[in-house]
Amino acid sequence: DAGVIQSPRHEVTEMGQEVTLRCKPISGHNSLFWYRQTMMRGLELLIYFNNNVPIDDSGMPEDRFSAKMPNASFSTLKIQPSEPRDSAVYFCASRRAGESGELFFGEGSRLTVL
Amino acid sequence: AQSVTQPDIHITVSEGASLELRCNYSYGATPYLFWYVQSPGQGLQLLLKYFSGDTLVQGIKGFEAEFKRSQSSFNLRKPSVHWSDAAEYFCASLPTSWGKLQFGAGTQVVVTP
Repeated sequence: DAGVIQSPRHEVTEMGQEVTLRCKPISGHNSLFWYRQTMMRGLELLIYFNNNVPIDDSGMPEDRFSAKMPNASFSTLKIQPSEPRDSAVYFCASRRAGESGELFFGEGSRLTVL
Repeated sequence: AQSVTQPDIHITVSEGASLELRCNYSYGATPYLFWYVQSPGQGLQLLLKYFSGDTLVQGIKGFEAEFKRSQSSFNLRKPSVHWSDAAEYFCASLPTSWGKLQFGAGTQVVVTP
């Protein structure tokens, strides 16, 4: 079974540009999480969805960030406009809610904003 | 609110020596508890988890962890480390199986020859 798939793996862009990160969760999983990892702040939960519905977006830094989950097999995290401080590794994770709570992580998207 | 504390930011251990990584959680009830490992440039991989039953849990790669309710701890151990165990280790807690996972700050493990 394929794991959580994220794209792109690496993205380098210039300040002010729009960035879209994509995630395909594991088939059958109904919860999806977006995390951001930096040296300074560690792993931060940005937003999570249950059954495609955003449950908690309190970790989204500001209005420049938005996330969608149009269906059970796809989610996007968008940053518009991007800033150098958004440089980080963004992880997507999924799980089957109601089981033991284990999250399965993708390999991350490393974003560099120049 | 739940929180997870990993007191050690960085640990250096000799290959073949034992390793113990500390983790404390703060939550009224017994949460679901996890240890994840992250190798450089990789995502997080689950080592083991606890949510009920035997307080000593076995995981992959020879790791084990012990849940101690009285100390609100869930420390990770390995009797003999290998060079490939060099990585960052994260403890995490979940108040319910459908809640949000709270991570500790992580412990970087360096293995010396």
